[in-house]
Amino acid sequence: DAKTTQPPSMDCAEGRAANLPCNHSTISGNEYVYWYRQIHSQGPQYIIHGLKNNETNEMASLIITEDRKSSTLILPHATLRDTAVYYCIVRPSFYNNNDMRFGAGTRLTVKP
Amino acid sequence: DAGVIQSPRHEVTEMGQEVTLRCKPISGHDYLFWYRQTMMRGLELLIYFNNNVPIDDSGMPEDRFSAKMPNASFSTLKIQPSEPRDSAVYFCASSLPGTSPKFYEQYFGPGTRLTVT
Repeated sequence: DAKTTQPPSMDCAEGRAANLPCNHSTISGNEYVYWYRQIHSQGPQYIIHGLKNNETNEMASLIITEDRKSSTLILPHATLRDTAVYYCIVRPSFYNNNDMRFGAGTRLTVKP
Repeated sequence: DAGVIQSPRHEVTEMGQEVTLRCKPISGHDYLFWYRQTMMRGLELLIYFNNNVPIDDSGMPEDRFSAKMPNASFSTLKIQPSEPRDSAVYFCASSLPGTSPKFYEQYFGPGTRLTVT
């Protein structure tokens, strides 16, 4: 399974875009990139996933580089409620390992 | 949609007692997962079900842990007897059937914080 590398922490001003990077240089062709976040004392929350095309939903945008070795999660207008730990996970497109083990993630702090 | 519902939200019990955690998945979701989260070990998958059938229980730490899913809208995780090292936050999650990527698009409940003294 591909490993991911994320910065341990980031700050963002309220109302500005938050750009969270993730490196997954060993990703294979059949692996998707998923993003989750965990707000303090809550369960993990699914945000978005993608394979190779950029994706957008009501929560965020996911930009995947052409070589697929890295991606960026974009929260277009961060609010204080977006303060959380954000996890980038790479999982295969088939069921070979059902473990959703999260790494250390990036602790995003949105400041007023 | 109410999301995944878990009860109780907090449980404090003494060592040796039986603990039962409950979960109601999102309607229409065929997969149900039980996870445990601690500071030391992070998020760990314990067991998951597909259409009420246990598929992979390799993450269940020992025989003291058991999980059931009697119907599509209810699952339990039981610990008997409980030990202090079982103290953790236990999450239930569910996901849609269909293509493989949906399997990892999981929706988590608020969790049950278990403290065993």
